Amino acid sequence: SAVISQKPSRDICQRGTSLTIQCQVDSQVTMMFWYRQQPGQSLTLIATANQGSEATYESGFVIDKFPISRPNLTFSTLTVSNMSPEDSSIYLCSASLTGPEQYFGPGTRLTVT
Amino acid sequence: AQSVSQHNHHVILSEAASLELGCNYSYGGTVNLFWYVQYPGQHLQLLLKYFSGDPLVKGIKGFEAEFIKSKFSFNLRKPSVQWSDTAEYFCAAHGSSNTGKLIFGQGTTLQVKP
Repeated sequence: SAVISQKPSRDICQRGTSLTIQCQVDSQVTMMFWYRQQPGQSLTLIATANQGSEATYESGFVIDKFPISRPNLTFSTLTVSNMSPEDSSIYLCSASLTGPEQYFGPGTRLTVT
Repeated sequence: AQSVSQHNHHVILSEAASLELGCNYSYGGTVNLFWYVQYPGQHLQLLLKYFSGDPLVKGIKGFEAEFIKSKFSFNLRKPSVQWSDTAEYFCAAHGSSNTGKLIFGQGTTLQVKP
């Protein structure tokens, strides 16, 4: 398995600002992912973070709004740009090793005022 | 379109009652199936998984799930729940063509009364 940490664990941000969330894995992983979990709802995949290349975004999510970096096999960042109250959510990082199962971080609870 | 559906959104049980949470998937081709659990204030944890072979899989904490291909189902069961099983349960699926992507169901909130 993999142990995943995220920073910050929570934040309160003002409308129009940006927040960068960091995700660190305790071992080298093949794939990393970013999800959003809105209150009382399921997980929605934002993008797959690809090491050394641009992230692959799901329908409804764009790079200008959610730029992602993955400089190596253990680390990734997600930035939520030009935030609005609709971006208030829990943002989750996950990673997979050799198989399809994913291991999740504790999440970052974002509130936009 | 690929999808995962969980029938029960909120389940309330008394301790020692039996549990069955429904999950149906819509996928073409080979599919891998998972149940994740999220205890209050904790992160998502893998409960069990099915890739191939015996359709009855056992996971942690006494949970099991049965893959029924003809019904496109992967229901989660536990013969006797405990108060500590109170949590959110998510069914998820991964198809061989998905490039690693998991599709999650809507989640089921389980409340176990002591």
